[in-house]
Amino acid sequence: TQLLEQSPQFLSIQEGENLTVYCNSSSVFSSLQWYRQEPGEGPVLLVTVVTGGEVKKLKRLTFQFGDARKDSSLHITAAQPGDTGLYLCAGANAGGTSYGKLTFGQGTILTVHP
Amino acid sequence: DSGVTQTPKHLITATGQRVTLRCSPRSGDLSVYWYQQSLDQGLQFLIQYYNGEERAKGNILERFSAQQFPDLHSELNLSSLELGDSALYFCASSISGTSVNEQFFGPGTRLTVL
Repeated sequence: TQLLEQSPQFLSIQEGENLTVYCNSSSVFSSLQWYRQEPGEGPVLLVTVVTGGEVKKLKRLTFQFGDARKDSSLHITAAQPGDTGLYLCAGANAGGTSYGKLTFGQGTILTVHP
Repeated sequence: DSGVTQTPKHLITATGQRVTLRCSPRSGDLSVYWYQQSLDQGLQFLIQYYNGEERAKGNILERFSAQQFPDLHSELNLSSLELGDSALYFCASSISGTSVNEQFFGPGTRLTVL
């Protein structure tokens, strides 16, 4: 069974601070997605990383895929209250009977205080 | 707006009953995925269909079933409902079931079993 461990589970910071969320697994994934979810709504895709060592930037958000494609991180610079939400990482299986399946981490609840 | 639609938004029913949740994927997407999200289990993959055929199965109970129709919309049937089935149910779609597999989520159906 593939597992993705996300840390920290909760993060409460002040506006302007930087933060990093980690997503770790002992399994290799063909790709990894990061989603953001608001209460009562569906997850919204932020980014997909595919290549080991890949770094992608989305404004103040920086995403990195580990060289071995087992881990990933999300770094937010100068966090704003609008960044508040649940951040989820999800790894995609490459083949076998679970082809196409996404394995989700438990999520990180981020609260940014004004 | 992801382009994925789900109905109904909310569903309240009693134990032992049967319900049907409906999902319409984004235009052009052939794959549909169903997920269950509860507070203690996080987002759990249930089942995937690709162009009308079952592609992958996750932690789906025998009381639950799904299908994808020729117009690519999908339905998730939940029967003999129990209190523990209360959760958010999400549908997601992607162009194919490839390993890159960017999935776009609908707004979800909140099921409450009383």
